[in-house]
Parts: sequence; C-alpha cells; structure tokens
Amino acid sequence: AQTVTQSQPEMSVQEAETVTLSCTYDTSESDYYLFWYKQPPSRQMILVIRQEAYKQQNATENRFSVNFQKAAKSFSLKISDSQLGDAAMYFCAYISSNYQLIWGAGTKLIIKP
Amino acid sequence: NAGVTQTPKFQVLKTGQSMTLQCAQDMNHEYMSWYRQDPGMGLRLIHYSVGAGITDQGEVPNGYNVSRSTTEDFPLRLLSAAPSQTSVYFCASKGGKDTQYFGPGTRLTVL
Repeated sequence: AQTVTQSQPEMSVQEAETVTLSCTYDTSESDYYLFWYKQPPSRQMILVIRQEAYKQQNATENRFSVNFQKAAKSFSLKISDSQLGDAAMYFCAYISSNYQLIWGAGTKLIIKP
Repeated sequence: NAGVTQTPKFQVLKTGQSMTLQCAQDMNHEYMSWYRQDPGMGLRLIHYSVGAGITDQGEVPNGYNVSRSTTEDFPLRLLSAAPSQTSVYFCASKGGKDTQYFGPGTRLTVL
C-alpha cells in the first residue's frame, strides 16, 4: 500500500531565511504525481507545488521548490526567503493509481519575525 | 469559473439530525471526493466518485451517504448526526491523475 510520511510535526524558521520540509513516500508505481498543499488558519487547502514523477527536473514556483529524489522516494519542499504569510500546515500528498490522494500527517511551519 | 463551491460554510446540528452538505464544481471534472479533517490531523477520505452515477467508499464512510446524479454536483448526506462527526468537511475535484482542487470547507458541529 502506498504511504506518505512527514517526519517533522513542527518546524520553525526566522523570517527571510530558508526552510526545508521533508516528505517520503512508498510506492511500486513508476508514473505518479506528488503535491505540496498549504493550509493556513483559514483552513483553505491551497496547492503550493506539484511534481510529475517522469520529469527529472525539480518543480519550482517562485520561492517554493522541491528536491525530488525518485530512487530514494523523497520529495522535500524548500521555502526560500520565508515570509510571515508562509505560516501554515503543509501537507505532502501522492496520487495513487486509483486516482486517490494519499496524505501525509502534515508539518506545522512557524515563522519567527 | 467558480472552481469548487461548498455550502453551508458553518452548520450546527443536534445529535440525530440529518443534513446534506452541498458541493459543486464547474471544471467538468470527473473525479470528486469528500474529506473530513479533525483538529490537528490530516485529511481522511469519506467517499469519492469517478463520474456521474459512480460512487465508492473511502477510508471513513460510516454515517455518510453520497450520490452523483450529475458531473457538477456531489452532495454528502449525514444520516443521523453524531458528536464524532464534528469536523471540517472538504469537497474536492480533479481531472484525471492531476491536481486536486478543494472547496473552502464546511465547519460542522454536532451537539
């Protein structure tokens, strides 16, 4: 069965610095998608970034980038120049072969001013 | 293009009452799903649908019913509300094996 593991329940970073959130997953499939979602206190689920497994190039969206290591089944999120608005829960997710999202438990990111 | 809409945003029920949470999407997505999120936890799948007329159970289906008569709508029915169903409910849709879009959520309290 596919699983997604986020080993950091909580992370904190100083404003303007860089932080990396970890995510590992387990699957026997070769073609899949991975996602990072952000959930601020408003509870809205917001897509941060997505990665297609067949693409070797790491996805980047402005200050957000991923380090996708397919062989190691690792999908970490790097946030550069952290801002107060980045404070939120971050969830890593994987799409399984039956199109269902498998979710990690989440990492709470705290930004220190 | 409104994306995924959910109503109501907030609801308070008494134990034993029934109600329907509404969800609609205007992106012509085949796949729709309902999740619940309890405090401090991630999302758990309740039910999902891969197209009109097709529904299936997720991880936590007990106490909930769904139907999918049209591509656009995917209502979630609570048959007899219990305090354990106090949660935030999210509806989501996606096209194929790609990005899932979420509604704003419904915060449900069962007394």
